[in-house]
Amino acid sequence: GNSVTQMEGPVTLSEEAFLTINCTYTATGYPSLFWYVQYPGEGLQLLLKATKADDKGSNKGFEATYRKETTSFHLEKGSVQVSDSAVYFCARNQGGKLIFGQGTELSVKP
Amino acid sequence: NAGVTQTPKFRILKIGQSMTLQCTQDMNHNYMYWYRQDPGMGLKLIYYSVGAGITDKGEVPNGYNVSRSTTEDFPLRLELAAPSQTSVYFCASSPLGGQLDTEAFFGQGTRLTVV
Repeated sequence: GNSVTQMEGPVTLSEEAFLTINCTYTATGYPSLFWYVQYPGEGLQLLLKATKADDKGSNKGFEATYRKETTSFHLEKGSVQVSDSAVYFCARNQGGKLIFGQGTELSVKP
Repeated sequence: NAGVTQTPKFRILKIGQSMTLQCTQDMNHNYMYWYRQDPGMGLKLIYYSVGAGITDKGEVPNGYNVSRSTTEDFPLRLELAAPSQTSVYFCASSPLGGQLDTEAFFGQGTRLTVV
């Protein structure tokens, strides 16, 4: 069926480390893809998005590239900060509804 | 800029009680959604609405009801609370849900515990 799968967490990194959070999707066609971030005690907010193959979304030093051939949208950041500690959700658009992955908790230590 | 506002923020219910989770948005968005978030399970769609007077079921609608009498409000009703409904509930809205790249705006959530 149509779904989104993320790598399991929690992920613990030291400050300035490189981050990758994997996300793959199954779908018929080419859905828009999103990364949302949830800081402690808050609701989700959009981090970045991509609407077609080979698009790269970027924001706050995070990047993700829409890879049609591997049906993936992995989130990367070259140098994480303590303030990046949050839960990250990959999502796809399906007929006006957002379908989310299970979330990946990131903890960055000083 | 209020955005999406949910009330209450926290609630404890006894089994069998009923309650309504309130959600209102001031962005004139057509689409509104209710999700529940369980640890390690991500967000599951309960109900959604594409406009006033129109609602539809999501992935996990059992035990819930919704109504959409105005563009701004989208309350979620629990009629007979059960422990399985212990969760964090998020309301969201988007301007044109059918558009490919639409972004959803989320409320701060309601943490509900059923004991």
